[in-house]
Amino acid sequence: QKEVEQNSGPLSVPEGAIASLNCTYSDRVSQSFFWYRQYSGKSPELIMSIYSNGDKEDGRFTAQLNKASQYVSLLIRDSQPSDSATYLCAVNLDTGGFKTIFGAGTRLFVKA
Amino acid sequence: SAVISQKPSRDICQRGTSLTIQCQVDSQVTMMFWYRQQPGQSLTLIATANQGSEATYESGFVIDKFPISRPNLTFSTLTVSNMSPEDSSIYLCSVGTANQPQHFGDGTRLSIL
Repeated sequence: QKEVEQNSGPLSVPEGAIASLNCTYSDRVSQSFFWYRQYSGKSPELIMSIYSNGDKEDGRFTAQLNKASQYVSLLIRDSQPSDSATYLCAVNLDTGGFKTIFGAGTRLFVKA
Repeated sequence: SAVISQKPSRDICQRGTSLTIQCQVDSQVTMMFWYRQQPGQSLTLIATANQGSEATYESGFVIDKFPISRPNLTFSTLTVSNMSPEDSSIYLCSVGTANQPQHFGDGTRLSIL
């Protein structure tokens, strides 16, 4: 089992719709979870961090965390064509130190 | 967040040669990380670099192929040795902590002919 799993997509939604991106992780003791957006040819940029169960909202983005189910999701409301990118789920694993493991990423297309 | 500068930003190299990538951070950080992103793939951690100690390599990556230096708290280098076309990737330097996200440099786009 991969440490961080995402549906690779592509996910296609019409402009103005809600895009829902999902991620599961295998390490039960993980405490830090992140969503990154990566445009083609660019480095990943952080969208959201979430550390406790429940929802965290920031503008059009909502991250949801359920540690019991080892599940984290990202909702993008009022999707815009500029949201078209690859979205990466990332989890910090406790290794004595730590390391950040990334999922395979989900490609999102928002159709105008 | 920290500002991370990587150079070179891109290079085209001949197979069998080596290239050293530099990563400079504008503040002192304990841990620096090196990732590889092959075409169409996600990020794979190569190694973690702590100042004053040997880098910790992930499974599938070895020091002879990817030697890393960490001479101080603001700088690190990654060398890609004896390159082959399979090493064509984007190499990314990042900094982060256990409770904070990774922040990335702009990456080095490497092509091997």
